[in-house]
Amino acid sequence: SAVISQKPSRDICQRGTSLTIQCQVDSQVTMMFWYRQQPGQSLTLIATANQGSEATYESGFVIDKFPISRPNLTFSTLTVSNMSPEDSSIYLCSVGLAVYEQFFGPGTRLTVL
Amino acid sequence: GENVEQHPSTLSVQEGDSAVIKCTYSDSASNYFPWYKQELGKRPQLIIDIRSNVGEKKDQRIAVTLNKTAKHFSLHITETQPEDSAVYFCAASFSGNTPLVFGKGTRLSVIA
Repeated sequence: SAVISQKPSRDICQRGTSLTIQCQVDSQVTMMFWYRQQPGQSLTLIATANQGSEATYESGFVIDKFPISRPNLTFSTLTVSNMSPEDSSIYLCSVGLAVYEQFFGPGTRLTVL
Repeated sequence: GENVEQHPSTLSVQEGDSAVIKCTYSDSASNYFPWYKQELGKRPQLIIDIRSNVGEKKDQRIAVTLNKTAKHFSLHITETQPEDSAVYFCAASFSGNTPLVFGKGTRLSVIA
């Protein structure tokens, strides 16, 4: 497996502000994904972070709200823009290792007041 | 797109008994079916997975079965222990390198 870290681990933010979450992997990986887990709920894919090109967003998620960067094969950022209390969730990055394994970072717990 | 249904949503068992969680999926192109365990405040951890060319896989007290014709797969935990208490998620995708679609989760409580 790989060592996946996320920063920050948690944050409390005011509505209308933005937060950038970082995901770092200790080895080069082809695929990186961002998921959201709302309180007490399952995981929902936000987007696939593509290295060197624009992220691929799932239905219901847009680039203006959740801009994503993937400057290289070990790092990605997710920004939650113009936040509202409904954005309070855990945000998790995941990486695909080999063909048949996907592992998650520790998550960022976001609370929006 | 893919849709994954998971049952039951909650499950309570006595320590030492077996637990079974079932999932169904809709997209016949899915080939990869992982199971994740999530303890409170922690990340989902991959505990076992199965690929479409295999019908059953076992790892100590955990086993997973897959029926591609019926599009369902199940997690079996034998000799349950209190530390098995957690939320379990099934998922489906084309491969581990493609986005996962998750079930809604099963909260398992093992009563000592």
